[in-house]
Amino acid sequence: NAGVTQTPKFQVLKTGQSMTLQCAQDMNHEYMSWYRQDPGMGLRLIHYSVGAGITDQGEVPNGYNVSRSTTEDFPLRLLSAAPSQTSVYFCASSYSGRVAFFGQGTRLTVV
Amino acid sequence: QKEVEQDPGPLSVPEGAIVSLNCTYSNSAFQYFMWYRQYSRKGPELLMYTYSSGNKEDGRFTAQVDKSSKYISLFIRDSQPSDSATYLCAILRDSNYQLIWGAGTKLIIKP
Repeated sequence: NAGVTQTPKFQVLKTGQSMTLQCAQDMNHEYMSWYRQDPGMGLRLIHYSVGAGITDQGEVPNGYNVSRSTTEDFPLRLLSAAPSQTSVYFCASSYSGRVAFFGQGTRLTVV
Repeated sequence: QKEVEQDPGPLSVPEGAIVSLNCTYSNSAFQYFMWYRQYSRKGPELLMYTYSSGNKEDGRFTAQVDKSSKYISLFIRDSQPSDSATYLCAILRDSNYQLIWGAGTKLIIKP
């Protein structure tokens, strides 16, 4: 039972490049979320999903897209990377919304 | 005003001390309150959660909710250097089952 797996762990992008952060969970959770964590700002919700085929925007969705074609996977796409998107990204899954299980994070630097 | 406020610290205490970590919140309708612990370069992990008011104890950790004051606390007894981490409070927003996060308090336990 791997829990929540995020790839890659580290990434450096040039401004304007696009990429996809991968997230997979093996706990059959309906709820999945993407957060970014910046110093002094805590966790900010980017996008979330309450089940396959259903996604919604969080607090800071601009510049990011998501899709949820299966229960297990919830990829986050950066459309055109900007330095302001330099951050640590966490994926989380939950069976009730209350108890979230997090991945180990992806450290992204945009230069 | 933020929905959840948390002092980012750092809070530095000697080993063996009792630690008190706190958050305040704005919406009296909130019912589920969580504490997560995050070690450096790791994802947050659930430490404790409580429903409505009262105390909940788990080993050296006690979570307390005072709904009249809209104040939640985490107490750590006999603190250990291994407790050094960032502690984040989180509250469930019932309307969309998403978590609202405090900024996190960095705790340092000095041997």
